[in-house]
Amino acid sequence: DQQVKQNSPSLSVQEGRISILNCDYTNSMFDYFLWYKKYPAEGPTFLISISSIKDKNEDGRFTVFLNKSAKHLSLHIVPSQPGDSAVYFCAAIFGNQFYFGTGTSLTVIP
Amino acid sequence: DAMVIQNPRYQVTQFGKPVTLSCSQTLNHNVMYWYQQKSSQAPKLLFHYYDKDFNNEADTPDNFQSRRPNTSFCFLDIRSPGLGDAAMYLCATSNIAGGYEQYFGPGTRLTVT
Repeated sequence: DQQVKQNSPSLSVQEGRISILNCDYTNSMFDYFLWYKKYPAEGPTFLISISSIKDKNEDGRFTVFLNKSAKHLSLHIVPSQPGDSAVYFCAAIFGNQFYFGTGTSLTVIP
Repeated sequence: DAMVIQNPRYQVTQFGKPVTLSCSQTLNHNVMYWYQQKSSQAPKLLFHYYDKDFNNEADTPDNFQSRRPNTSFCFLDIRSPGLGDAAMYLCATSNIAGGYEQYFGPGTRLTVT
């Protein structure tokens, strides 16, 4: 059963615009959330995280928002750059378990 | 640079022929993980080691085994690969069990013929 869902398999955005990647989860016990970025032929690399006690975390162009009541997580990239084109995975942690979403492929069009 | 290394990057094996994938890390992390990722799917955790303590996921087939001879190395053994085992295998490390970021290797793409 997929506890972390990324319902959009792909997203295309113009360079300079905002990219919004969404993630939904089902387990209210998740206490930490992360976003990973993956280029072809490479392993995922950590991007940004947020604790369940917060609703926003910002790091440069990347901001993660957490809406616990809706069990929804989003990653905002502003402004989007062509180098941001990659697959983005959200992940949630409960105890010692990581749960990954299926990924969203972002294409930033120059 | 501290990193997670996986060898080989691409592995071809025959149906039923045992194969071993390797992972090493220079991060000195105490937790190492093996994930299986098939196309357009989420990485699926197979097992992890917390130091020398082995933790197997309930749905990981017996066909998959792991060894961690020391802190730096971890191996994934597939005893009798089937066609359905063709996938990307990702090794990851973290500093404590379930602790926040995991650091991934580049993966080994396994093909079963």
